[in-house]
Amino acid sequence: DTGVSQDPRHKITKRGQNVTFRCDPISEHNRLYWYRQTLGQGPEFLTYFQNEAQLEKSRLLSDRFSAERPKGSFSTLEIQRTEQGDSAMYLCASSLQYNEQFFGPGTRLTVL
Amino acid sequence: AQTVTQSQPEMSVQEAETVTLSCTYDTSESDYYLFWYKQPPSRQMILVIRQEAYKQQNATENRFSVNFQKAAKSFSLKISDSQLGDAAMYFCAYNQGGKLIFGQGTELSVKP
Repeated sequence: DTGVSQDPRHKITKRGQNVTFRCDPISEHNRLYWYRQTLGQGPEFLTYFQNEAQLEKSRLLSDRFSAERPKGSFSTLEIQRTEQGDSAMYLCASSLQYNEQFFGPGTRLTVL
Repeated sequence: AQTVTQSQPEMSVQEAETVTLSCTYDTSESDYYLFWYKQPPSRQMILVIRQEAYKQQNATENRFSVNFQKAAKSFSLKISDSQLGDAAMYFCAYNQGGKLIFGQGTELSVKP
C-alpha cells in the first residue's frame, strides 16, 4: 500500500510531556499538510510544506508546536509541554501541487 | 476569510433512496476548488468528489453528484441509491491556496 501513513496511531501522554508524530506521504507528492480534528468537528489546518519548505502556519499553531520536513519526504510534528486542550486527532495529508489531498489514518492524542 | 457551512449536523436516508447534503461557502475568489470528503467510523478521510469553480458542468462520480451554484455559493452533494457503506461523516471543503477549509460535517446514517 502506497498511501499516506502516520505513526503512532494512538498516543497517550501526561500533561507537560513532549510528543512527536511522524507522517510519510505518498512518495511523489511534493506537498504535505497537517490538520487537527477534535470530536464532532471538521479538520482545522495547522501547517503545510512544499518539498522541505514550510510555507504557511496557522495561528492555531502555538509556539509549543513545531513541524519539520527535513528532506522533503516524511514530516514530523512535535508538541512540547502538552496540555489537555491538545487532545485531538492529528491528520496528515499529501498532494501533488494543487491536486486532491490524500489523508492518512491520523494519530489520536490523549493528554491526561 | 473563507468559511464553509454545513447546516445539517445529521441526516438519515433509507437504503436505495437518494439524499442531498448541503454546503455553502463564502469567498471573494473567482477560481477555486471544492471537495466533498467522507470519513467513515474508522476515521480515514476519503475524497468523494471535486468541483472546479470555472467549470459550469456539475461533477459526477458514479452514485455521487454535486449541484454547484456558483452565484449562490452553494455546493450540495447528492447520493443516489444509498448503500449501507455510505454511512459516515461527510465534509465539504474549500481549497484556499492549497490548504483545505472544512465545514463542520454532516453525519449520514443509512437505514436498511
